[in-house]
Amino acid sequence: AQSVTQLGSHVSVSEGALVLLRCNYSSSVPPYLFWYVQYPNQGLQLLLKYTSAATLVKGINDFEAEFKKSETSFHLTKPSAHMSDAAEYFCAVSDTGTYKYIFGTGTRLKVLA
Amino acid sequence: NAGVTQTPKFQVLKTGQSMTLQCAQDMNHEYMSWYRQDPGMGLRLIHYSVGAGITDQGEVPNGYNVSRSTTEDFPLRLLSAAPSQTSVYFCASSYERGTSSMNTEAFFGQGTRLTVV
Repeated sequence: AQSVTQLGSHVSVSEGALVLLRCNYSSSVPPYLFWYVQYPNQGLQLLLKYTSAATLVKGINDFEAEFKKSETSFHLTKPSAHMSDAAEYFCAVSDTGTYKYIFGTGTRLKVLA
Repeated sequence: NAGVTQTPKFQVLKTGQSMTLQCAQDMNHEYMSWYRQDPGMGLRLIHYSVGAGITDQGEVPNGYNVSRSTTEDFPLRLLSAAPSQTSVYFCASSYERGTSSMNTEAFFGQGTRLTVV
């Protein structure tokens, strides 16, 4: 069965520092991969998705993620953190041809002034 | 275009009571699903539907029922509420009918925060 592992349930960075949130998936074939963000008391909003067209995916708010098949990873990065980036981030995977999404346990990002 | 609409936003139930969480989407999506979110556990799939009249169980279906009589609506019923069902519930939809791409993200509602006392 598909699974998603997010390393680090809490990550703190200083404002202006690099953001790196880790996601590894288990799959024998490249799945569809997604990063979602959840602000307090809100639903999930799509940041970006891997479509197999390009291994480096750019999303909203200067976030990007790189698909690395050899490492089964899809880490999320942002060059310079803003206070407004403080939120919980979820990595998700869905198998080719299905509509079932498997979510990681989430990483809560804290941005320090 | 409202997207995915969930009602109510907040609910307090007594143990043993039943209730229905409503979910509606206006994006002509085939696939709809219900998740519960608990601290440290991410989102876990309760039930899902790949089209009107078709439903199936997810990872944590016990204590919940669903039906899909129309494409737009996918209500979640709690049969006899228990404190273990205290959670935040999210409805999601994806895959617009008639499109060929199988790679499509899920759109989420704003959630229902349920407390069972």
